[in-house]
Amino acid sequence: DAGVIQSPRHEVTEMGQEVTLRCKPISGHDYLFWYRQTMMRGLELLIYFNNNVPIDDSGMPEDRFSAKMPNASFSTLKIQPSEPRDSAVYFCASSPTNTGELFFGEGSRLTVL
Amino acid sequence: GENVEQHPSTLSVQEGDSAVIKCTYSDSASNYFPWYKQELGKRPQLIIDIRSNVGEKKDQRIAVTLNKTAKHFSLHITETQPEDSAVYFCAPKGGKSTFGDGTTLTVKP
Repeated sequence: DAGVIQSPRHEVTEMGQEVTLRCKPISGHDYLFWYRQTMMRGLELLIYFNNNVPIDDSGMPEDRFSAKMPNASFSTLKIQPSEPRDSAVYFCASSPTNTGELFFGEGSRLTVL
Repeated sequence: GENVEQHPSTLSVQEGDSAVIKCTYSDSASNYFPWYKQELGKRPQLIIDIRSNVGEKKDQRIAVTLNKTAKHFSLHITETQPEDSAVYFCAPKGGKSTFGDGTTLTVKP
């Protein structure tokens, strides 16, 4: 397996624009997690899915953020409208269980000007 | 929510010395205790983990010890090497957990 695949790797956009980050988990993993990493706030869990169903979205900062998982092999994290404080590295991770090893993607570095 | 604290936040050692990082958590229901290593510009990767029915686990130069009564677990690295330089995170309970703030380990040659 190629591991967790995220795209784009880098995104630079202007404030107010819509941003869509994509993730393909490892085949057979039932859990998918979205994290945000910044120097100030560290690694924060935004939302996680089990079998494509969102289980806990309490970490989603506000209504501008939304996440979907339409099938077992694809998830998106959308920010609309984007703001400069959303600049961060966004990681997607998958796992066969919710208390097992997390396999992280390479991350998407978002810069909002 | 769960309270997770890592200490120290930074650690500098000479090559060959040992390093110990401690993670304290608040949720007594935690039963899975992993440590992740993140090199600069890279993704976090699991280096060792332990389940609550075990007190200690070792993998070559790396070990994790667990004290469930006191609600803390520690990462031990012996014979440190420059390639051990990275940020280390604990995450009691795994993926749905609050991650610790990270410990930046620097190993000086």
